[in-house]
Amino acid sequence: EIVVTQSPATLSVSPGDRATLSCRASQSVSSNLAWYQQKPGQAPRLLMYGAYTRATGIPARFSGSVSGTEFTLTISSLQSEDFAVYYCQHYNNWPWTFGQGTKVEI
Amino acid sequence: EVQLVESGGGLVQPGGSLRLSCAVSGFIVGSDYMNWVRLAPGKGLEWVSLIYSDDSTYYADSVKGRFTISRDNSKNTLYLQMNSLRAEDTAVYYCARGQRDGGKTGFVDIWGQGTMVTVSS
Repeated sequence: EIVVTQSPATLSVSPGDRATLSCRASQSVSSNLAWYQQKPGQAPRLLMYGAYTRATGIPARFSGSVSGTEFTLTISSLQSEDFAVYYCQHYNNWPWTFGQGTKVEI
Repeated sequence: EVQLVESGGGLVQPGGSLRLSCAVSGFIVGSDYMNWVRLAPGKGLEWVSLIYSDDSTYYADSVKGRFTISRDNSKNTLYLQMNSLRAEDTAVYYCARGQRDGGKTGFVDIWGQGTMVTVSS
């Protein structure tokens, strides 16, 4: 099973800041990685797939990148609605697994 | 409008059973693949199971042999039969529509609101 590790566990930022979230896979997953955003009491929302392709309706301030087994989600200028938990998830082979999440808080 | 609505959660004793349902609207449940994903209290997301249009199924090791995913195309509904439930199965269970990136499967774009399952005596 591929283990996906996210860092940091919590990211304290201010509105307008740039946020950088990291995700590392224990072995190669090519670009088969997705990012989700989850707010309390809500279902997750797909942000990104294929490591850097934004899902429908996702604003351009969200961007993704990959270097080997290291993936990054960048939020260029945090808005109030961006404070949430972010999960990465690989889908290179079964079982598809999630990271433990990064909470972005004020 | 594309919508997924789960039901069937509740409180059950260890060793008991529950069947979750996910009513699908806006697309055909058997058109591609459908999934169950759970979020346990204080933990992260876990992919539980999926079913492809050819009826092939996959399960997390943690539920294999105890849970069964199925669908009823005539009712446009997805199910998760959960037997021999354990305390560690306590979670919010989401059904979710699978999506493809080219031919590659493995992520989901539409989620239901979730249904809570609590396993406790």
